[in-house]
Amino acid sequence: QVQLVQSGAEVKKPGSSVKVSCKSSGDTFNTYKISWLRQAPGQGLEWMGGIVPLFATPKSAQNFQGRLTITADGSTSTVYMELTSLTSADTAVYYCARDDYSLNFLDPWGQGTLVTVSS
Amino acid sequence: QSVLTQPPSMSAAPGQKVTISCSGSSSNIGNNYVSWYQQFSGAAPKLLIYDNYRRPSGIPDRFSASKSGTSATLGITGLQTGDEADYYCGTWDSSLSAWVFGGGTKLTVL
Repeated sequence: QVQLVQSGAEVKKPGSSVKVSCKSSGDTFNTYKISWLRQAPGQGLEWMGGIVPLFATPKSAQNFQGRLTITADGSTSTVYMELTSLTSADTAVYYCARDDYSLNFLDPWGQGTLVTVSS
Repeated sequence: QSVLTQPPSMSAAPGQKVTISCSGSSSNIGNNYVSWYQQFSGAAPKLLIYDNYRRPSGIPDRFSASKSGTSATLGITGLQTGDEADYYCGTWDSSLSAWVFGGGTKLTVL
């Protein structure tokens, strides 16, 4: 049974960067994909990108290309999401989720990490 | 503006049935599997349906789903007050090479 545990809430200044971690336990880490999504206050779900740790080749949604870096550390079964050049529009809850890309479903999800961007 | 279209809100009485629609296109729903997610206020989304209609273990059979062409539907029977949540449809979009979602449907059980 896979469980995903994310790092804690962050408060950042505009123009800075944030790095959120997602630690996996309970299953083979390297062979399944981890996706990152976010949800702005009162809004819907937005996919940001994902990575299969075994291949270490991340893929980002077009909206985030150039600002988003997704990496994986197999030794700690942890995936990281770093977003740069933050603005207030990046204030959101960020989620990681295991991505079954053959059947198109996301399960399980991490508990979420609130990132607040404020001057 | 979400790529998939859902009604923003729906309401029904306890014990009744509700169906939530999700409309897309050939690049997403039309050629990929649809999944549905339930999200309670302040919590992470939870997988409700995968592979268009399959329920993960632990999801009651009051929840059902189907897909036809470029549209999908989630049905909930025997509504309970505990079903009050936001419901999202999602799938992969082959043209965008990205996951896409509906804007979410807020279900109220009156």
